[in-house]
Amino acid sequence: AQSVSQHNHHVILSEAASLELGCNYSYGGTVNLFWYVQYPGQHLQLLLKYFSGDPLVKGIKGFEAEFIKSKFSFNLRKPSVQWSDTAEYFCAVNPPIYNQGGKLIFGQGTELSVKP
Amino acid sequence: NAGVTQTPKFQVLKTGQSMTLQCAQDMNHNSMYWYRQDPGMGLRLIYYSASEGTTDKGEVPNGYNVSRLNKREFSLRLESAAPSQTSVYFCASNTDRVGNQPQHFGDGTRLSIL
Repeated sequence: AQSVSQHNHHVILSEAASLELGCNYSYGGTVNLFWYVQYPGQHLQLLLKYFSGDPLVKGIKGFEAEFIKSKFSFNLRKPSVQWSDTAEYFCAVNPPIYNQGGKLIFGQGTELSVKP
Repeated sequence: NAGVTQTPKFQVLKTGQSMTLQCAQDMNHNSMYWYRQDPGMGLRLIYYSASEGTTDKGEVPNGYNVSRLNKREFSLRLESAAPSQTSVYFCASNTDRVGNQPQHFGDGTRLSIL
């Protein structure tokens, strides 16, 4: 079945460590890709998105992601994490456009805990 | 800026009871969505409405019904609640119909079925 996979379910880092969260999808064709963040007790907020163009996209709060088409991947990175980055991170894909209504398919989520 | 408003925020039901979750957006968005969030499973799409007057099934529609009352409002109904429907429910909206813009999410409804 077509899907979105996030490899890490729970990541624990110390402050200032580097972060990379994996995301792979199995849809062919042109896709729109998103990373959302959910801070404890809050709703999902957009971190960054990729539609086309430069495969390295920058988002809010120092996050960036790289789209590698040949690997069907869209990994999230941050050079130096802070305690305030503790949250759950979701990769999401908008499947190829054939009357899909703009819907998103989400990965399972990765819980990031940053130790001060 | 209200954005996407969901009511109620919390609810406890007994098995077999019915309930409607309300969602309204004030951004003049065309598309609206209902998701459920369960631990280790991310968000799964229940139903969506690409435009006023249309609704379509998502990944997990069984046990739910929806109504796109007007452009602003999109409600989710549980006709006969089951413990498996215990979850956090999120409503979202989007200005376009094809996914070229990010979705905006409400704060969620935490629903427990006993």
